[in-house]
Amino acid sequence: AQKITQTQPGMFVQEKEAVTLDCTYDTSDPSYGLFWYKQPSSGEMIFLIYQGSYDQQNATEGRYSLNFQKARKSANLVISASQLGDSAMYFCAMRAFKAAGNKLTFGGGTRVLVKP
Amino acid sequence: DTEVTQTPKHLVMGMTNKKSLKCEQHMGHRAMYWYKQKAKKPPELMFVYSYEKLSINESVPSRFSPECPNSSLLNLHLHALQPEDSALYLCASSQGTKRGAIDNEQFFGPGTRLTVL
Repeated sequence: AQKITQTQPGMFVQEKEAVTLDCTYDTSDPSYGLFWYKQPSSGEMIFLIYQGSYDQQNATEGRYSLNFQKARKSANLVISASQLGDSAMYFCAMRAFKAAGNKLTFGGGTRVLVKP
Repeated sequence: DTEVTQTPKHLVMGMTNKKSLKCEQHMGHRAMYWYKQKAKKPPELMFVYSYEKLSINESVPSRFSPECPNSSLLNLHLHALQPEDSALYLCASSQGTKRGAIDNEQFFGPGTRLTVL
């Protein structure tokens, strides 16, 4: 079974500052993918970034980067230069190689509020 | 077109009503999903369709009935719901559901906010 833990239920960040959202995971499967999604108050889940378990380099997508530490089973999301539009709920999710149906396991989420 | 659309955006229904939620994608994806999301909680998987066939039912009550008429369209038929079924219902799609395709990103729609009175 897979498990995702996000220990920060909510956090404030000053506009233009960087913020790190924590995500730890647990799986017995050696092959897996890690995803981060953003969910604004409107409800839509927006894909941000992906990291594969065998990827040698940390994933980056614009202002988003993933700090992947495989030995510690952590996949923290770093948002640089925060903007007011970054205020949202953020979910970390995992898909294991053996998971049927492309099933994603989600963490509990972290709510981010960017202050002007 | 990289969009998943859902209608209606909002739905209020009584416990004796029958209603349907609709989801559509034109990305050529062969897998589609229904999720239920309660406030301040992560999405919970309900159903997975792969190549228009139901491949996963996460022990969802029979008052929720999914249907996949074609590869672009996914419906969720609702009947005799309970107030605790009030939630955001999210649809998603992906290229497939093949085991091992760990990078198979799911694209989500904006959701339908359902209120059961």
